[in-house]
Amino acid sequence: GQQVMQIPQYQHVQEGEDFTTYCNSSTTLSNIQWYKQRPGGHPVFLIQLVKSGEVKKQKRLTFQFGEAKKNSSLHITATQTTDVGTYFCAGASNDYKLSFGAGTTVTVRA
Amino acid sequence: EAQVTQNPRYLITVTGKKLTVTCSQNMNHEYMSWYRQDPGLGLRQIYYSMNVEVTDKGDVPEGYKVSRKEKRNFPLILESPSPNQTSLYFCASSASSGGGNEQFFGPGTRLTVL
Repeated sequence: GQQVMQIPQYQHVQEGEDFTTYCNSSTTLSNIQWYKQRPGGHPVFLIQLVKSGEVKKQKRLTFQFGEAKKNSSLHITATQTTDVGTYFCAGASNDYKLSFGAGTTVTVRA
Repeated sequence: EAQVTQNPRYLITVTGKKLTVTCSQNMNHEYMSWYRQDPGLGLRQIYYSMNVEVTDKGDVPEGYKVSRKEKRNFPLILESPSPNQTSLYFCASSASSGGGNEQFFGPGTRLTVL
């Protein structure tokens, strides 16, 4: 079945620095979604990418969908303490199921 | 307020004692699903439902049952819980097919099976 791998599992970042988390699928995806889960909270939808090579920005967050629609990345610039949490990618290969990556847990050193 | 609710939020039980975790959404969503979250494994789908009376297995369905008798409710049933079902459980809903739409998650239910 479809597998979505996400790296790194943990990311320790100095406040103000940039970082990137990567997501790779074993199969071609119809779309990919990104979610953020704050400590003790539930996953909250951030964005969905549908087109090959698509790039979307949300303030300091940049999301990219690969040309082959098998990989994606989330890049955060100038990390802030509010960025703490776990970021999940979720790939859809059909209309009914999402496969979530294991997540990247981000901690920030002030 | 548009939301997904789950009850209970925390539950400690013993092996073999049947339990139900309720899930309800007020957004008239067709698609609902259950996930379990375990450290290092992310969110794994247990069961999903595309509409009333239509349910199907996700990636880790063993030991669980679901039903979808009403559009708004999607309870998760553990007939005979075992310690390996200790986990954090999330219910989610979306407007239509799960793969193409934003998922709205409930607050989670932390289950401990002794």
